[in-house]
Amino acid sequence: DVVMTQTPPSLSVAIGQSVSISCKSSQSLVYSDGKTYLHWLLQSPGQSPKLLIYQVSNLGSGVPDRFSGTGSQKDFTLKISRVEAEDLGVYYCVQATHFPLTFGSGTKLEIK
Amino acid sequence: QVQLQQSGAELAKPGSSVKISCKASGYTFTSYYISWIKQTTGQGLEYIGYINTGSGGTNYNEKFKGKATLTVDKSSSTAFMQLSSLTPDDSAVYYCANWYFDFWGPGTMVTVSS
Repeated sequence: DVVMTQTPPSLSVAIGQSVSISCKSSQSLVYSDGKTYLHWLLQSPGQSPKLLIYQVSNLGSGVPDRFSGTGSQKDFTLKISRVEAEDLGVYYCVQATHFPLTFGSGTKLEIK
Repeated sequence: QVQLQQSGAELAKPGSSVKISCKASGYTFTSYYISWIKQTTGQGLEYIGYINTGSGGTNYNEKFKGKATLTVDKSSSTAFMQLSSLTPDDSAVYYCANWYFDFWGPGTMVTVSS
């Protein structure tokens, strides 16, 4: 199975600061169709995960453009610009290129 | 609006089975595969497998073969996951979601205890 290594495990940031979360895969996530199926999810406290970004850099429905995703092959980054209180929770990367799909271990974002 | 509604929490004894439901509304049920995901504190998120809601075809994570059985009832727009031969390691929150992860159910907590 593809191993997704996510860092850091936790972050504590002040409102208005920017943060980045890294996700590295043990194999290339480029699928045979040329697309890269690396997505980012946010699980707010007590909630189900929510899709933030799909296929590396595309914003999910209703997701503010403070969120952005970059990367290629095996190395990906989620950036949150101007963190707001509602951004707290656990962020996960997930790859859907190889079966079974696999998730990163999560990054817990706390607000100072 | 699109919704995936899951059945309520289960308390089950070791060795028994449970069947969780995931009822879809707000869209054409057969438009999306349904995936199932396990969440525990220790193991995080694990992908169990998916079901093709049109054909009923399934694909399981090797780890969950023999443990989970995915089925679908198109007439009620509902997907099901049966977990068998339960052990305490099966205690978790189980989510259904569409293949693209843009719709998730609220989760069903399963507790296995004697």
